Amino acid sequence: DIQMTQSPSSLSASVGDRVTITCRASQSISSYLNWYQQKPGKGPKLLIYAASSLQSGVPSRFSGSGSGTDFTLTISSLQPEDFATYYCQQSSSTPRTFGPGTKVDIK
Amino acid sequence: EVQLVESGGGLVQPGGSLRLSCAASGFTFSNYEMNWVRQAPGKGLEWVSYISSGGGTIYYADSVQGRFTISRDNAKNSLYLQMNSLRAEDTAVYYCARDLRYNYVWQPPHWGQGTLVTVSS
Repeated sequence: DIQMTQSPSSLSASVGDRVTITCRASQSISSYLNWYQQKPGKGPKLLIYAASSLQSGVPSRFSGSGSGTDFTLTISSLQPEDFATYYCQQSSSTPRTFGPGTKVDIK
Repeated sequence: EVQLVESGGGLVQPGGSLRLSCAASGFTFSNYEMNWVRQAPGKGLEWVSYISSGGGTIYYADSVQGRFTISRDNAKNSLYLQMNSLRAEDTAVYYCARDLRYNYVWQPPHWGQGTLVTVSS
């Protein structure tokens, strides 16, 4: 099974900050990597698919990069509505494993 | 517009059964691999099961192997999850999820809104 790790597990940031979250796969997954945002009481929302493709309707301050085993989600200027938990997920092989999540809260 | 609508959740006693359904629309269902994903209260996301586009390849998480059965009916654009011998730890919101797909261009994944399964006496 491919293991997904994320760092950090949580972070505190201010509005306007640049935020970077890292996701690492235990073996190469090419570009089969998705990023999701989840707010309390809501279902996950797709932000980025195929490592770097921005989902329709998602603000351009979100971007993704990487391939192989190392991936990054960047929020260029954190907005109040971005405080949430972020998950990465690999779709290269089964099980379709998720990272443990990164909680972004207000400093 | 791509839509996935789950149904069939509810309250069930330990040892009981439920059948979840997912109605797909807005895309060619038979072209896509599908998954069930769940999220227990206050926990992270857990992949549950996978089925290939034609239904011939199926995988399960160890936690549900032997108790859950995934299936699909491409003629009805529907995905199913038969859950037997339910346990308290199966309590979660269950999501139907279309897989990421590459067919010369990337097709994004898509999730339904989820259906809550509560296993309790």
